[in-house]
Amino acid sequence: NAGVMQNPRHLVRRRGQEARLRCSPMKGHSHVYWYRQLPEEGLKFMVYLQKENIIDESGMPKERFSAEFPKEGPSILRIQQVVRGDSAAYFCASSRGAWAEAFFGQGTRLTVV
Amino acid sequence: AQKITQTQPGMFVQEKEAVTLDCTYDTSDQSYGLFWYKQPSSGEMIFLIYQGSYDEQNATEGRYSLNFQKARKSANLVISASQLGDSAMYFCAMREVLSGGSNYKLTFGKGTLLTVNP
Repeated sequence: NAGVMQNPRHLVRRRGQEARLRCSPMKGHSHVYWYRQLPEEGLKFMVYLQKENIIDESGMPKERFSAEFPKEGPSILRIQQVVRGDSAAYFCASSRGAWAEAFFGQGTRLTVV
Repeated sequence: AQKITQTQPGMFVQEKEAVTLDCTYDTSDQSYGLFWYKQPSSGEMIFLIYQGSYDEQNATEGRYSLNFQKARKSANLVISASQLGDSAMYFCAMREVLSGGSNYKLTFGKGTLLTVNP
């Protein structure tokens, strides 16, 4: 009964490259949430997705960031043309429903050099 | 305005002693949930304890208890009999009911770094 799986655990990108972060929710969970943790900060909500739908992207930066959760396969958080300020830990969580408990993955640590 | 305030950037405690980590929150909702998470140096977010706004009893989970004072809007975490492995960042978080009736979004405080001394 695997938990929320995120990969890679660590990702290094040069400025201007693309970063793709993957999240496989727990079995039976169709709701996925992405959070970002900047250094010395708590987690901040980015986006909430259900299968094939973006429900709330109010925490996503307006440019360069996108997220998807296709019918098959993991949820993807995509950051285009990364900048140093994108360096952070990105956490994914999943739940059975919007009212249900959400479980976090181990995070992906993105470093932009 | 900060919705979750953790006023202690860092705390020290002697092994085997109890420690209280402070958390105050701001909401106008009647129905909400309060959470504490532990983040060790390895980085994962570990759920510790949950308190619902309508729960009359303070939540407890093993050595963790939540001192919930609704009128003061505080939800302090108490760790009894501290262990060296308790050294970590601790985050308080709140889940409110959003417009439309859902309540999926967690708002986190900035955290408290707890160091347990031998």
